[in-house]
Amino acid sequence: GDSVTQMEGPVTLSEEAFLTINCTYTATGYPSLFWYVQYPGEGLQLLLKATKADDKGSNKGFEATYRKETTSFHLEKGSVQVSDSAVYFCALGHMDTGRRALTFGSGTRLQVQP
Amino acid sequence: EAQVTQNPRYLITVTGKKLTVTCSQNMNHEYMSWYRQDPGLGLRQIYYSMNVEVTDKGDVPEGYKVSRKEKRNFPLILESPSPNQTSLYFCASSSPTLGGVYEQYFGPGTRLTVT
Repeated sequence: GDSVTQMEGPVTLSEEAFLTINCTYTATGYPSLFWYVQYPGEGLQLLLKATKADDKGSNKGFEATYRKETTSFHLEKGSVQVSDSAVYFCALGHMDTGRRALTFGSGTRLQVQP
Repeated sequence: EAQVTQNPRYLITVTGKKLTVTCSQNMNHEYMSWYRQDPGLGLRQIYYSMNVEVTDKGDVPEGYKVSRKEKRNFPLILESPSPNQTSLYFCASSSPTLGGVYEQYFGPGTRLTVT
């Protein structure tokens, strides 16, 4: 079955540092890939997505590139802010099925210190 | 404002006492789903619904029931809760597929504790 593996956290960075959160996946077919963010006490929000190999998703300074050859979708940001502190989830989904279930990684907590 | 709402946000109950967690969306989405979130496991799908009166099991349906009598509502029912159902629950609804891509909108979550 499908699976998503994320680097364990927490990841603690100073403000303006470079961020990478690793994500690799195992899936049949050609899934779409997503990054969701969960701020304290809130639900998940879609951060960015990519639907096919070599696509780059980007939003709010975050980027991730769909790498089929390495089955990866690593999240990056050049300069993090304290407001980026949250839990980040990598997920995959098969668009061609009615079920539309997302398979999530276990989440990576990011803490950004001033 | 487009949103998914859940009630209650927090619930502490005892084993065997039936409970319902409500979910409502105001985006006219056909698709709705329930997930549970547990430490180290990410989110796992419990049930989903592709339209009114159409529901199906997700990955972890045991001990749960759902119904979809109206498009906007998708309640999650625990008829005899057990401690292993202590978890954080999220309802989600999905936009129509556009070019093969969709986005799932999540509610704020319901933290359930079963003692």
